[in-house]
Amino acid sequence: SAVISQKPSRDICQRGTSLTIQCQVDSQVTMMFWYRQQPGQSLTLIATANQGSEATYESGFVIDKFPISRPNLTFSTLTVSNMSPEDSSIYLCSVEDTRGNYEQYFGPGTRLTVT
Amino acid sequence: RKEVEQDPGPFNVPEGATVAFNCTYSNSASQSFFWYRQDCRKEPKLLMSVYSSGNEDGRFTAQLNRASQYISLLIRDSKLSDSATYLCVVNSNRDDKIIFGKGTRLHILP
Repeated sequence: SAVISQKPSRDICQRGTSLTIQCQVDSQVTMMFWYRQQPGQSLTLIATANQGSEATYESGFVIDKFPISRPNLTFSTLTVSNMSPEDSSIYLCSVEDTRGNYEQYFGPGTRLTVT
Repeated sequence: RKEVEQDPGPFNVPEGATVAFNCTYSNSASQSFFWYRQDCRKEPKLLMSVYSSGNEDGRFTAQLNRASQYISLLIRDSKLSDSATYLCVVNSNRDDKIIFGKGTRLHILP
C-alpha cells in the first residue's frame, strides 16, 4: 500500500481566509481523491484529481471554493477558500490501489477548525 | 433508500465475545465491497475486501449476500483493540465511485 502524508495535520483559521492542504504520496499514482469528514459523519468525496487534467468535482462542491492542483503523479493540493465555520471538518486525501480494484489508502487527514 | 446503510451502534460487547454487523446497499449492480476500520481521530484503513465467496482473515470474516443486498462482518474472540468504527464501502458502478457508509461504532468492554 502507498504511504501518504498530509500537511498541515491541523489548523485553526479565521473566517474569510483560505487554507491549502498538501498531500504527498511515496509512489506514482494516477488517481488521487479528496474527501471531507464532518464530525460524526462518514466520508464525502469532494473531487477526484488526475494529473494533467482538471479535477472532477462531486455534486455540491465547486472549483471556486475548493481549487485543486495536481502538478505530478505524487502530489496534490486542496485549497479551502473563503472559509466559514461550516467548513470545519477533517480533510483527507486518498489514492487508489494501482491494481484498479477500488481499494483506497488514506492520508492521516487535516483537521480544520474555522472560527 | 440510502446507497449504503449501517446501524450506527454503538455495539458494546464484552471482550472475547463474537460480534457481527451488517451493511445494506441499494445498487444491485455494485461489484466491489469493503470493510474499513477507523479509529478515533485517525484515517480509515482498509480492513478487508468482501468477495462473492466470502473472505476470512484471522478472527474476521466478511460475507456478501447479493440476493438481499447486504454485506456482513463477523469478529470472533473480540479484543479491546477491536474498538473502532467500522465503515462499509461499496463501489457504485453507475459512476465508478465508491460510497462510504456512516459506520458502526464498536466498543469492546474489558
